Amino acid sequence: AQSVTQLDSHVSVSEGTPVLLRCNYSSSYSPSLFWYVQHPNKGLQLLLKYTSAATLVKGINGFEAEFKKSETSFHLTKPSAHMSDAAEYFCVRTDSWGKLQFGAGTQVVVTP
Amino acid sequence: GAVVSQHPSRVICKSGTSVKIECRSLDFQATTMFWYRQFPKKSLMLMATSNEGSKATYEQGVEKDKFLINHASLTLSTLTVTSAHPEDSSFYICSAREGLARYISSTDTQYFGPGTRLTVL
Repeated sequence: AQSVTQLDSHVSVSEGTPVLLRCNYSSSYSPSLFWYVQHPNKGLQLLLKYTSAATLVKGINGFEAEFKKSETSFHLTKPSAHMSDAAEYFCVRTDSWGKLQFGAGTQVVVTP
Repeated sequence: GAVVSQHPSRVICKSGTSVKIECRSLDFQATTMFWYRQFPKKSLMLMATSNEGSKATYEQGVEKDKFLINHASLTLSTLTVTSAHPEDSSFYICSAREGLARYISSTDTQYFGPGTRLTVL
């Protein structure tokens, strides 16, 4: 089955330290992959998107993700966490019909 | 650009009443919009795909007679929760796929609305 697995349900980092959110996907074809962020009681904001172009994708707010086909991974990173990065992050892929399939989400907590 | 709005942002209603939620693409046209449901501390579940000028396509297990979807224009889709019950209480989020093409591509980006918190008493 095609799916998205976010390996950490909860990540806690100190302000100013790097952030790593892990995501693995399964797919019989080369999928489109996205990272979205959701702040409390808000809709989702697109951070970045991979669609078979450059494997290193740069997004907004200093985030980037690297598509690694050999590892079927699409991990999200940021060199230095900010307090405003505290939110829920979703790794998402499209299915063959173009519909979005969401990972379970990773809750990021940033401590001063 | 690519802003999607939802109205209302929060609604409380009595059991048995119907509630309508609007989803608008403010600066682009969208032939296709999507409706999702999100339970507390859970991921998003796709409920249905809203197609402008035609019937919505519902995901397995979603009651089409309970969740009525209308997509009458290229910038507006509505979700009506009919005869709402407490178990329908949830966070409902819509998204819109930019563009007029009827065929959904795997490279399309969906832009999400801010969500509507429905509480049924």
